[in-house]
Amino acid sequence: KAGVTQTPRYLIKTRGQQVTLSCSPISGHRSVSWYQQTPGQGLQFLFEYFSETQRNKGNFPGRFSGRQFSNSRSEMNVSTLELGDSALYLCASSAGTLTGNTIYFGEGSWLTVV
Amino acid sequence: GENVEQHPSTLSVQEGDSAVIKCTYSDSASNYFPWYKQELGKRPQLIIDIRSNVGEKKDQRIAVTLNKTAKHFSLHITETQPEDSAVYFCAASTVGGGADGLTFGKGTHLIIQP
Repeated sequence: KAGVTQTPRYLIKTRGQQVTLSCSPISGHRSVSWYQQTPGQGLQFLFEYFSETQRNKGNFPGRFSGRQFSNSRSEMNVSTLELGDSALYLCASSAGTLTGNTIYFGEGSWLTVV
Repeated sequence: GENVEQHPSTLSVQEGDSAVIKCTYSDSASNYFPWYKQELGKRPQLIIDIRSNVGEKKDQRIAVTLNKTAKHFSLHITETQPEDSAVYFCAASTVGGGADGLTFGKGTHLIIQP
């Protein structure tokens, strides 16, 4: 069974630009969640989607958004990039919602904002 | 929302000795507590989890204990080996609801000295 796949793996953007990251969950998994990982703040929850609906949302500004498609694939978008958005963005999938089901992480997308 | 504190931030032990990492959480409604291991440059991977109806769970050299009254849970690794060197994250969430997703501790960098 293929794992969680994230693209692109590495990208460099300029302040003010926007970026879209993609995530394909494990086959059969309907829940996709996103996390931001930085050395200072650790792993922080962004949002979770289940059956195309946002079920949970973390404490991030509205510049961070996401969506999920009917095939469970998910995208997250960050608009008006700031230097502080440089981070590893991790996508995770699970069979159910986040609440108590094992989540499996992808390799992540390394975003550098210059 | 939930807040998870993790200690210590760095732990150095001799190969063969035991390692203990401790976490406390704030939301008494939390009832699912996974532990993740992240090796350098790799994705976090689930190593063990525990639910609030269980006080202890063991898997070979790894065990997790949970004290719901005190709101803390711990990871125990016995007979440590070089491949145990990694960053370990604890997390907490609420099965059946909650808008915060998984809340992670800041991580413990475990170093196994040969």
